[in-house]
Amino acid sequence: AQSVTQLGSHVSVSEGALVLLRCNYSSSVPPYLFWYVQYPNQGLQLLLKYTSAATLVKGINGFEAEFKKSETSFHLTKPSAHMSDAAEYFCAVSPFSGGYNKLIFGAGTRLAVHP
Amino acid sequence: EAGVVQSPRYKIIEKKQPVAFWCNPISGHNTLYWYLQNLGQGPELLIRYENEEAVDDSQLPKDRFSAERLKGVDSTLKIQPAELGDSAVYLCASSQGQGAPFSYNEQFFGPGTRLTVL
Repeated sequence: AQSVTQLGSHVSVSEGALVLLRCNYSSSVPPYLFWYVQYPNQGLQLLLKYTSAATLVKGINGFEAEFKKSETSFHLTKPSAHMSDAAEYFCAVSPFSGGYNKLIFGAGTRLAVHP
Repeated sequence: EAGVVQSPRYKIIEKKQPVAFWCNPISGHNTLYWYLQNLGQGPELLIRYENEEAVDDSQLPKDRFSAERLKGVDSTLKIQPAELGDSAVYLCASSQGQGAPFSYNEQFFGPGTRLTVL
C-alpha cells in the first residue's frame, strides 16, 4: 500500500534561513508526488507537483522539491524563509491508477518562522 | 473565479445530534471529494463523486455518514448521529473530470468545516 512519511511534525527556522521539510514515500509504482500548504483556517493549496517529468520541481512562493527515486524521497526546500511561510505543509502521493489521482497525505509538518 | 465554497465554516453540536455540511465546487468541475482531517493529521478521503455518482465511498462510515450530490453540482455530507470522535475538519475539494490515462487533474480545496461535538 502506498504511504507517505513526513519526518518532524514541527520545524522551526529563523527568518532568512533554509527551509527543509522531509517527505519519504512508499509506492509500488512510479508515483505522482505533491506538496500542499495549509494556512490557518484555510483550505489546502498546491505548492508543487512531480508527475514524472523533471526531478527538480519548482513551485510557488520560492519553494522547490527534488524527486529522488533511490531514496524514495521528495523533500521540500526554500533557500530563505519568510515570516509568511509559517503554515502547515503536507506531502501527498498519488498511487496512480487508471486516470484517478487519489491523494494519500502525510501527517503534515508545521513550520514556524521566527525573527 | 470563485473557489470551492463550504458552509458552515464552524459547527458546534452535542453528541447524538445530526449535522450537515454543504459544498459548492468550482464551476465545471465534475469530480468532487469529501475529506476528513483529524487534528494533527493529513486529510483522508471519505468519498469521491464523478458527476452525481459516488464512485469511491470505501472509506465512508456508512452506519452514520451519508452524502449526496444531486444534479452533479453541490454536495451535502451528513452525520447522524454525531459522536465525540467526529470532531474534525471536513474538507471538500473538486477537480475537472478524468482526462486521458495518466493525466493529472489538480484538486482544489475549500476552507473546510470545523466540527466540534460536545
